[in-house]
Amino acid sequence: SQQGEEDPQALSIQEGENATMNCSYKTSINNLQWYRQNSGRGLVHLILIRSNEREKHSGRLRVTLDTSKKSSSLLITASRAADTASYFCATDTGGFKTIFGAGTRLFVKA
Amino acid sequence: GAVVSQHPSRVICKSGTSVKIECRSLDFQATTMFWYRQFPKQSLMLMATSNEGSKATYEQGVEKDKFLINHASLTLSTLTVTSAHPEDSSFYICSASFEVTDTQYFGPGTRLTVL
Repeated sequence: SQQGEEDPQALSIQEGENATMNCSYKTSINNLQWYRQNSGRGLVHLILIRSNEREKHSGRLRVTLDTSKKSSSLLITASRAADTASYFCATDTGGFKTIFGAGTRLFVKA
Repeated sequence: GAVVSQHPSRVICKSGTSVKIECRSLDFQATTMFWYRQFPKQSLMLMATSNEGSKATYEQGVEKDKFLINHASLTLSTLTVTSAHPEDSSFYICSASFEVTDTQYFGPGTRLTVL
């Protein structure tokens, strides 16, 4: 069963705008990761945030984690057409088992 | 570093045949490898977890006799879809982990189409 639920399911924005995607999960986690997938391709690891961290940055990416609300958000600033992809959150509940959310399909219009 | 490859990238086969997909960690030793299946516009569903030298652990609902997993070495795991049927058509993705890290490194995926 899927642990994470993401919203929105799909997001369409103009180049230069910021994109925010949210992920909620159900059980306690060790860490939460965000991945990107271009259509028909494998996954690219973006960022990992541990359960004792609240915020992390990587380039134009900003990830927050609220363990009390069991939620995380991924912010992509100054989006580019090349950011068009599906974005998944994935939770590690221990035992090397990662459970993926349903994903958000982001479309950035040039 | 931490590159994972899959072969083949695409395969089309007739119903009833078996298909083998390879997953290799190219520049590191992967104690644990994972196999996922992804249907169009859906998320990844974990099928099984394999550890080198031991039997794979399958997720609930995944038929172990249909999806044979062999993790014979620290750099290679194979998934064999036996007696494939059209409903097995999907995107199969593997990932590999170091023993002591949380990050999984994903392969590029294999598109299986069963006619």
